[in-house]
Amino acid sequence: DGGITQSPKYLFRKEGQNVTLSCEQNLNHDAMYWYRQDPGQGLRLIYYSQIVNDFQKGDIAEGYSVSREKKESFPLTVTSAQKNPTAFYLCASRDGTSGIKDNEQFFGPGTRLTVL
Amino acid sequence: GQNIDQPTEMTATEGAIVQINCTYQTSGFNGLFWYQQHAGEAPTFLSYNVLDGLEEKGRFSSFLSRSKGYSYLLLKELQMKDSASYLCAVRDQSSGTYKYIFGTGTRLKVLA
Repeated sequence: DGGITQSPKYLFRKEGQNVTLSCEQNLNHDAMYWYRQDPGQGLRLIYYSQIVNDFQKGDIAEGYSVSREKKESFPLTVTSAQKNPTAFYLCASRDGTSGIKDNEQFFGPGTRLTVL
Repeated sequence: GQNIDQPTEMTATEGAIVQINCTYQTSGFNGLFWYQQHAGEAPTFLSYNVLDGLEEKGRFSSFLSRSKGYSYLLLKELQMKDSASYLCAVRDQSSGTYKYIFGTGTRLKVLA
């Protein structure tokens, strides 16, 4: 089955530690996105990547870093510089080619990060 | 700037019809999306509008007016399982790439 996986579903870290959240897709999608969601809020864009080896900052990139070395993978690192890292993190992908298939973002199940 | 507004909460009765409104401001509009999100889960795609008018998909319909910066999601024959948050999102291409800007979501409660 094609889809997007994020692991783990729940993650706990101590304050001051870096943590990397994984996102893998086997949909052969070009574009991938990372969002953060806080309680009662919409999704805010952290980073996005249109193609392999390229990525752009979203609206709230400070304290985060990403890499896109493979088409299938777009890991997000939450660094100790991120002041309020506790949140629900969602990864998404999009076909990236023209046409009807490109209209939809597919989301992974999310990772809930709690920093103690 | 870029901005999306939608009501925070709505309540409706099982079997009824509910309309969730969304207004937006963006410089590079390239489509409007509606997603459903149950608590603690990922959003799931409901509809997409890029041209003015109504798109119907079963019990769900979505309307767009680009000149007014306005959309609505219409849910008919409400069921208890429709209790969820509904997110309005605009795809913007003013930066040269596609970015998605989400509203804060409308939490819908369906009562028996």
